[in-house]
Amino acid sequence: GIQVEQSPPDLILQEGANSTLRCNFSDSVNNLQWFHQNPWGQLINLFYIPSGTKQNGRLSATTVATERYSLLYISSSQTTDSGVYFCAVISNFGNEKLTFGTGTRLTIIP
Amino acid sequence: DAGVTQSPTHLIKTRGQQVTLRCSPISGHKSVSWYQQVLGQGPQFIFQYYEKEERGRGNFPDRFSARQFPNYSSELNVNALLLGDSALYLCASSFDRNSGNTIYFGEGSWLTVV
Repeated sequence: GIQVEQSPPDLILQEGANSTLRCNFSDSVNNLQWFHQNPWGQLINLFYIPSGTKQNGRLSATTVATERYSLLYISSSQTTDSGVYFCAVISNFGNEKLTFGTGTRLTIIP
Repeated sequence: DAGVTQSPTHLIKTRGQQVTLRCSPISGHKSVSWYQQVLGQGPQFIFQYYEKEERGRGNFPDRFSARQFPNYSSELNVNALLLGDSALYLCASSFDRNSGNTIYFGEGSWLTVV
């Protein structure tokens, strides 16, 4: 099945810093989403972005489908940005399950 | 509008017991999927239902079963619970087939097996 790798696994930053999270996937996809999992376990949808670039406030994302990677940018980090960020994809081959990456744990220090 | 709602939010069961978890998708959404997330890992796909038919099944034993009702709500059943079934169970919904559509998750049901 499709493989999804995220980097870095852990990231500790001071409040106000910027960060870039990366997601590499091994096959062509028809769905790619970025999620933020808060400490209570809820997966919050950030972007649906199988290709192209989107922005939402301090967050933006870019997916280069032909090169099989996606980037999530967080600017001017706040403590509420802390948590685990997951990239998840649906492969063009097989059933319609979301395959999640291993996640990036982001900790923002005041 | 309400998001994906799941119940119960927390529950404790004993090994060998059975559990039923419930999910109501976002209004108008026809596809419901279930995922299991063990501590420290990403969610793993269990089932997908679309228009009340099973459309996909992950690598889980037959102790796991699910169904989707005419109103598109869904139940996940787990029989003969094992300690390793302790996890966060997440329900997700999308308007149509998962491919090409945004998938939204509920807050999850935390299951502890003792």
